Amino acid sequence: EPEVTQTPSHQVTQMGQEVILRCVPISNHLYFYWYRQILGQKVEFLVSFYNNEISEKSEIFDDQFSVERPDGSNFTLKIRSTKLEDSAMYFCASAGPLVAGELFFGEGSRLTVL
Amino acid sequence: GQQVMQIPQYQHVQEGEDFTTYCNSSTTLSNIQWYKQRPGGHPVFLIQLVKSGEVKKQKRLTFQFGEAKKNSSLHITATQTTDVGTYFCAGPAGYGGATNKLIFGTGTLLAVQP
Repeated sequence: EPEVTQTPSHQVTQMGQEVILRCVPISNHLYFYWYRQILGQKVEFLVSFYNNEISEKSEIFDDQFSVERPDGSNFTLKIRSTKLEDSAMYFCASAGPLVAGELFFGEGSRLTVL
Repeated sequence: GQQVMQIPQYQHVQEGEDFTTYCNSSTTLSNIQWYKQRPGGHPVFLIQLVKSGEVKKQKRLTFQFGEAKKNSSLHITATQTTDVGTYFCAGPAGYGGATNKLIFGTGTLLAVQP
């Protein structure tokens, strides 16, 4: 069964450092997302990406964040100058041709900022 | 902004007892989705409801979408230890437009004692 894969599974970084989280969505999907989940809390929308550009973003997704789909398969989330409050689980998700259809989530990348 | 709330936040049941979680949106939803997240895992899609008053069943799980399309419920009959996890409802931001931003509810954590 096709799945969304994410790397790394866990990253520890120092405050102020840049991190890149990587995702390989399901190959025939058209919509790509990043969500984050602070431990024990709800799943929060960060950004959606369609047709090689950001389609929507939340107020959390400020200039510190950026996304890219550099090669038609990978989908990356870059966090510049990480802060302590960026510590969370970051989930990549993808969806097929239907807008607002079922999301397929990866297993997540846990980011710990020290 | 749009909010999706769930009650209860946490429920502990004995194996074999029933369980219900309720989801309420501050705005009318074009559809509602339900996801299950096992402890330490990622959200996994369970079902999508589209029509007002719709009821769908998956084995011991019954999902309902309210007549006003602002609330939904998930009922599990005769819980098993495999039902343990957090159940999230999720709905698209906005109504009728081509949004692909999915807003997750606050979640209900279900614990099942054998």
